[in-house]
Amino acid sequence: KQEVTQIPAALSVPEGENLVLNCSFTDSAIYNLQWFRQDPGKGLTSLLLIQSSQREQTSGRLNASLDKSSGRSTLYIAASQPGDSATYLCAVDTGTASKLTFGTGTRLQVTL
Amino acid sequence: DAGVIQSPRHEVTEMGQEVTLRCKPISGHDYLFWYRQTMMRGLELLIYFNNNVPIDDSGMPEDRFSAKMPNASFSTLKIQPSEPRDSAVYFCASTPSTGGINTGELFFGEGSRLTVL
Repeated sequence: KQEVTQIPAALSVPEGENLVLNCSFTDSAIYNLQWFRQDPGKGLTSLLLIQSSQREQTSGRLNASLDKSSGRSTLYIAASQPGDSATYLCAVDTGTASKLTFGTGTRLQVTL
Repeated sequence: DAGVIQSPRHEVTEMGQEVTLRCKPISGHDYLFWYRQTMMRGLELLIYFNNNVPIDDSGMPEDRFSAKMPNASFSTLKIQPSEPRDSAVYFCASTPSTGGINTGELFFGEGSRLTVL
């Protein structure tokens, strides 16, 4: 059974810092991996989707990497801003039509 | 497009009552998913549909839970009778496919927060 772990559970950084969020998964036979953002009381917004054949994806200040063999992904946020404060979740798809397994998330706070 | 639309946003009910949650997926998306989020268990997939047909309901916790998708633009998740442990945020999500293959990118609604007293 696929298990997804995210470390740290919570993170507080001052504005302007670069930061890395970590995601690990137990079964490397994945179809893709996604990073989501969730604001309080809101749904999830997909940030980046990495197919199993890819090693990274970039969108603006966000960069996600994938190392299938080691069962790890990282989300790098450059020059963090207070508006980046949210919970970030990673989810892996084992190839059965988006039956995603979610991590428990990292709650990020970017302070002024 | 307005995105995935869920209703009600908040529901407070008493144990034993029937609860119906509603979802309108993004037009043209042919996969629809129902998820449940709790502090203890995180996000869990309950059921998903492809072209209005239920494909996998293995995540539905009990027979008290049922889901339908009568057409491409509407789905319901029903709990009857409801219990306090059903309290959670229920999310609906949809995704398009290319050539019948799920593209993988999920679009979530804002959720329905259910409280069962």
